Amino acid sequence: AQTVTQSQPEMSVQEAETVTLSCTYDTSESDYYLFWYKQPPSRQMILVIRQEAYKQQNATENRFSVNFQKAAKSFSLKISDSQLGDAAMYFCAYRGNKLVFGAGTILRVKS
Amino acid sequence: DTGVSQDPRHKITKRGQNVTFRCDPISEHNRLYWYRQTLGQGPEFLTYFQNEAQLEKSRLLSDRFSAERPKGSFSTLEIQRTEQGDSAMYLCASSLASGGDTDTQYFGPGTRLTVL
Repeated sequence: AQTVTQSQPEMSVQEAETVTLSCTYDTSESDYYLFWYKQPPSRQMILVIRQEAYKQQNATENRFSVNFQKAAKSFSLKISDSQLGDAAMYFCAYRGNKLVFGAGTILRVKS
Repeated sequence: DTGVSQDPRHKITKRGQNVTFRCDPISEHNRLYWYRQTLGQGPEFLTYFQNEAQLEKSRLLSDRFSAERPKGSFSTLEIQRTEQGDSAMYLCASSLASGGDTDTQYFGPGTRLTVL
């Protein structure tokens, strides 16, 4: 079975600084997708970024980028120029035949 | 595109009662998923449909739970004889089965169930 591990229950970052959230996963499949979702308090789960496993190039969406290391089964999220609105729970998710989520990392942004 | 919608947003019920939740996916999406999320945890997969066919069910989905998608559009999730352990956020998501954005699931706001 696929598993996703987020080893950082909480992270803090100063506004305008950069923070990296870690994620590792376990799978025997070669073709899959990886996602980062953001869930603000009491609000909807929002897709942040996605990465196809067959693509070597790391995905980027504005201030959000990933470091995808397929051999190491690592998929970290870097948030640059952090903003107060980035404060949320961040979930890493793996999709093979179904979507499997990690336990989440709470990101706090200090002004 | 109005996104995935869920109704109701909150439901409080007494133990032993039946509850039903509705999910309306993004209109062109033919896959629909149900997840359960407890406080401080990631969502856990319950079941999914492609069009009207229920293709997979998690072992989390006990026989008190049933989901339908009769016309391949909206879906309902019913919980019979609710228990306090059923208290959770129930999330619905939808995706395309083919095309450029396949495998990306878009989530609704969830239905928060509290069983007293």
